[in-house]
Amino acid sequence: QVQLVQSGAEVKKPGASVKVSCKASGNTFTSYVIHWVRQAPGQRLEWMGWINAGSGSTKYSQKFQDRVTITRDTSTSTAYMELSSLRSEDAAVYYCARSLSDAFDIWGRGTTVTVSS
Amino acid sequence: SYELTQPPSVSVSPGQTASITCSGDKLGDKFVCWYQQKPGQSPVVVIYQDIKRPSGIPERFSGSNSGSTATLTISGTQAMDEADYYCQAWDISTAVVFGGGTKLTVL
Repeated sequence: QVQLVQSGAEVKKPGASVKVSCKASGNTFTSYVIHWVRQAPGQRLEWMGWINAGSGSTKYSQKFQDRVTITRDTSTSTAYMELSSLRSEDAAVYYCARSLSDAFDIWGRGTTVTVSS
Repeated sequence: SYELTQPPSVSVSPGQTASITCSGDKLGDKFVCWYQQKPGQSPVVVIYQDIKRPSGIPERFSGSNSGSTATLTISGTQAMDEADYYCQAWDISTAVVFGGGTKLTVL
């Protein structure tokens, strides 16, 4: 069964960048579309963007497009999300998820990002 | 930008039917998914493409979508169904949008 394993919690200072990884099990990574979704404490799910793991094409939410970069490494079946210019309101749990048949069918367990001076 | 609106909370007695709505402009023209999220856990899809139920999701979960409103219905609600529920749709301009979430309380 496909699993998405995310990197561990991060603590960053305001203005810094954070890069979160999402490693997929199985051998069909290049057929995946991987999304990044974040959730601030007590808040709604918020979509940030996706990457087609095969072609490398990306699409970002307008809210984040100036600060987020999503990449992938097909040799390690890993997707990455880098968010720059961090501010306190970026403190959240960041999830990667695979989309299939219009749904996010598999989710990682989430990576907590803390932003504190 | 496209928005989806959900009631903040819904309460239901065990064994009764819970209905959670999700509203958006011409939502019936889009496919809607529903996710269940329990505290400290990742979301789980319970309904996709408006009405389809993934394997492993109990039959008591069903969905509909028409006009401007999609509805998640849980028949014979159980205590284990207590969770936050989010609707989600795809939009040509916004790409992916989530509703604000509904806290389902079973009491």
